[in-house]
Amino acid sequence: GAVVSQHPSRVICKSGTSVKIECRSLDFQATTMFWYRQFPKQSLMLMATSNEGSKATYEQGVEKDKFLINHASLTLSTLTVTSAHPEDSSFYICSAGMTGGISTEAFFGQGTRLTVV
Amino acid sequence: GDSVTQMEGPVTLSEEAFLTINCTYTATGYPSLFWYVQYPGEGLQLLLKATKADDKGSNKGFEATYRKETTSFHLEKGSVQVSDSAVYFCALYRMDSSYKLIFGSGTRLLVRP
Repeated sequence: GAVVSQHPSRVICKSGTSVKIECRSLDFQATTMFWYRQFPKQSLMLMATSNEGSKATYEQGVEKDKFLINHASLTLSTLTVTSAHPEDSSFYICSAGMTGGISTEAFFGQGTRLTVV
Repeated sequence: GDSVTQMEGPVTLSEEAFLTINCTYTATGYPSLFWYVQYPGEGLQLLLKATKADDKGSNKGFEATYRKETTSFHLEKGSVQVSDSAVYFCALYRMDSSYKLIFGSGTRLLVRP
């Protein structure tokens, strides 16, 4: 299947700093990428949908100024957690949909464990 | 709103035991249903899916049947292996939901030799 690479897999940062997480589709073009957040023992919750070349669509309750999403090319989307705080510590996962595809063809990155100290 | 409920884990089984992981859903219309698996240190992988009532998805010895009358999509395997140890996520998707997947909380399976 198609490969989605997410980097870094783990990051520890100080409170107040910003962290960027990258999501790359390695062998296909992804017009749509999704960013999820997972709390311990809880569901993956969709944070936002990003479409190449346009602004991301955020789910209700997700602060767009806090979680900046950029999808500048068909193979790269980035999530920047700005002014991170301990409550932002979580597991973040991206997925990418193939061009013209639907979420049944979504491929997931390995996730990023963010710890804010 | 749409939601997915999975049985809480962890589920611990001996090798060759029978596996059932329950999944029920709430959704308007006719969603598609999925099971994803996450092996340690890896991303989520689609395990199987079903797109309409009474469909049975199957892969790698795992099966799940889309039961509209009970709004369920339970995952089963007749004989588990140590290599099946992973976290399993049930999910649904509706065509009119902008391609959003809604996940259950995940169930960790641990298979002992």
